[in-house]
Amino acid sequence: EAQVTQNPRYLITVTGKKLTVTCSQNMNHEYMSWYRQDPGLGLRQIYYSMNVEVTDKGDVPEGYKVSRKEKRNFPLILESPSPNQTSLYFCASQIGSSEAFFGQGTRLTVV
Amino acid sequence: SQQGEEDPQALSIQEGENATMNCSYKTSINNLQWYRQNSGRGLVHLILIRSNEREKHSGRLRVTLDTSKKSSSLLITASRAADTASYFCATDSGNTGKLIFGQGTTLQVKP
Repeated sequence: EAQVTQNPRYLITVTGKKLTVTCSQNMNHEYMSWYRQDPGLGLRQIYYSMNVEVTDKGDVPEGYKVSRKEKRNFPLILESPSPNQTSLYFCASQIGSSEAFFGQGTRLTVV
Repeated sequence: SQQGEEDPQALSIQEGENATMNCSYKTSINNLQWYRQNSGRGLVHLILIRSNEREKHSGRLRVTLDTSKKSSSLLITASRAADTASYFCATDSGNTGKLIFGQGTTLQVKP
């Protein structure tokens, strides 16, 4: 089954404690991206990757890092999380300009 | 940056009625996509319409695109309670795969 898998689904952490949210897709898609969703703000792109070892900033990259060492994986790293990074995060993958496939989301709370 | 503006923000109808949601955008596009999101879950792709298309159908869904007005509409006919969800438009402007989402329309279909 074609899917994008994110882990964990829920995470509560403390300010400053480094964390990684994993994302994996099994569709051999080249393009992957991370979004955060906040009430009243819709989905905003954090980072994207057009292929292995090619990543670039989206609209709200501050406080986040990503890596793309393999085609299927695109982890999101928060080196020093802060409360304003409390949000619902989605990973997505797609081929070029076609439809995007989304993971089920990671609800992060930073206290 | 937000490209799509959706209208209305919330819509409540009775089962069997039609639901129409509108999306306006600011820059020229390669394609426009509509997604559905059940509460707190991942987004699911519904339909994609290219910039050279004016109308597209998929089951009970009908999407129109007016590039001169930079607007699109999504019509759900004969709505069902299971259609209750948030609906988002997303635009692809550069063949890069980057999608810019609107803030969404929350649809409630009452049984």
